[in-house]
Amino acid sequence: AQTVTQSQPEMSVQEAETVTLSCTYDTSENNYYLFWYKQPPSRQMILVIRQEAYKQQNATENRFSVNFQKAAKSFSLKISDSQLGDTAMYFCAFMKHSGGSNYKLTFGKGTLLTVNP
Amino acid sequence: NAGVMQNPRHLVRRRGQEARLRCSPMKGHSHVYWYRQLPEEGLKFMVYLQKENIIDESGMPKERFSAEFPKEGPSILRIQQVVRGDSAAYFCASSPKQGAGQPQHFGDGTRLSIL
Repeated sequence: AQTVTQSQPEMSVQEAETVTLSCTYDTSENNYYLFWYKQPPSRQMILVIRQEAYKQQNATENRFSVNFQKAAKSFSLKISDSQLGDTAMYFCAFMKHSGGSNYKLTFGKGTLLTVNP
Repeated sequence: NAGVMQNPRHLVRRRGQEARLRCSPMKGHSHVYWYRQLPEEGLKFMVYLQKENIIDESGMPKERFSAEFPKEGPSILRIQQVVRGDSAAYFCASSPKQGAGQPQHFGDGTRLSIL
């Protein structure tokens, strides 16, 4: 079974600054996918970024980028030039690439990020 | 292109009543997933359905909970004889295909409160 750990329950950052949210996971799989989802106060779950484990290049999406360290089983999210609208709960999630249950997302408990003006 | 639609947004039930949560997937998506989010927790997988078929219900409690995704109409998550512990946010997600890292697109969720 896979587990996802987000060790920072809450974080805060000043507007326009950079913040990094950490995520570690445990799996015996060699190939898999990792995701970051954002859940603002409106509660909708929004996909932020996706990483394929067999790709060495870190995924980026505008101001969002990841630092994927496969050997360390670490998948941190960096938000540059933070904006007030980035205030949300951020969830890290894991999905197997193949085999049984390769559709289940396993989520961490989340990190509540507050961007201060 | 409308996203995943869930209704109602909020649902209040008394203990012992039934709760019905509805989910219409994105257009062109035939794979539906239900997740439950307890307070202070991440989302937990409950069930995966394709049209008219339950593929995996391993995350769903064996009793009182059922799910369906009929040929026509939305997917329904049904909770019979609700108890206080059923209070949670229930999220539906959909994808056009299964697996291979297919991103799942989520609805806004239904917040179920049990009095």
